[in-house]
Amino acid sequence: DADVTQTPRNRITKTGKRIMLECSQTKGHDRMYWYRQDPGLGLRLIYYSFDVKDINKGEISDGYSVSRQAQAKFSLSLESAIPNQTALYFCATSDLGGTGNYNEQFFGPGTRLTVL
Amino acid sequence: GNSVTQMEGPVTLSEEAFLTINCTYTATGYPSLFWYVQYPGEGLQLLLKATKADDKGSNKGFEATYRKETTSFHLEKGSVQVSDSAVYFCALCRIQGAQKLVFGQGTRLTINP
Repeated sequence: DADVTQTPRNRITKTGKRIMLECSQTKGHDRMYWYRQDPGLGLRLIYYSFDVKDINKGEISDGYSVSRQAQAKFSLSLESAIPNQTALYFCATSDLGGTGNYNEQFFGPGTRLTVL
Repeated sequence: GNSVTQMEGPVTLSEEAFLTINCTYTATGYPSLFWYVQYPGEGLQLLLKATKADDKGSNKGFEATYRKETTSFHLEKGSVQVSDSAVYFCALCRIQGAQKLVFGQGTRLTINP
């Protein structure tokens, strides 16, 4: 079974609809991240969370919100979807690790969202 | 702010050709540098990393050297295979604090038999 799962894998919706993307992990990691990927722009960080009570905005959080329901679950919501939120969305997790070490981020398979 | 710039793609090569994908960065302090690979239909996977100047990261025949003087981290492979076809992302992060990854725009690589 995959360590980081995302649901749904594909979603087509209309402008103004509320959408929730879900991420679950079985790696036991404390840190979770949401990125979006756009052609020619790479991945950009939307939100990240270091534990259930710690939520932080990334570089492009406007129009998005998140919920960390449990250590293993981190959801991304689009309250009122708009066409320029059409993108590939990735969830990632990493361990808390020790000071001075890079803690590798492990990515889910992605959710392709299309807003018409 | 921190940023990463990769060579424009897509890149198309024949099997067994030599590969170079250029990556340069702008950052304050001393970031760690990474190459991630995304195979079709999958999430990103860490390919290799280097945490300080002159370090060489290597994995699966790929190599990249952290060059502080030229702020570069170019990806190389001596003989590519069809199975190397993927999108490659250069990235950096500061080890201190949140360890937020900053990605380049990605380079799509296609290897023809």
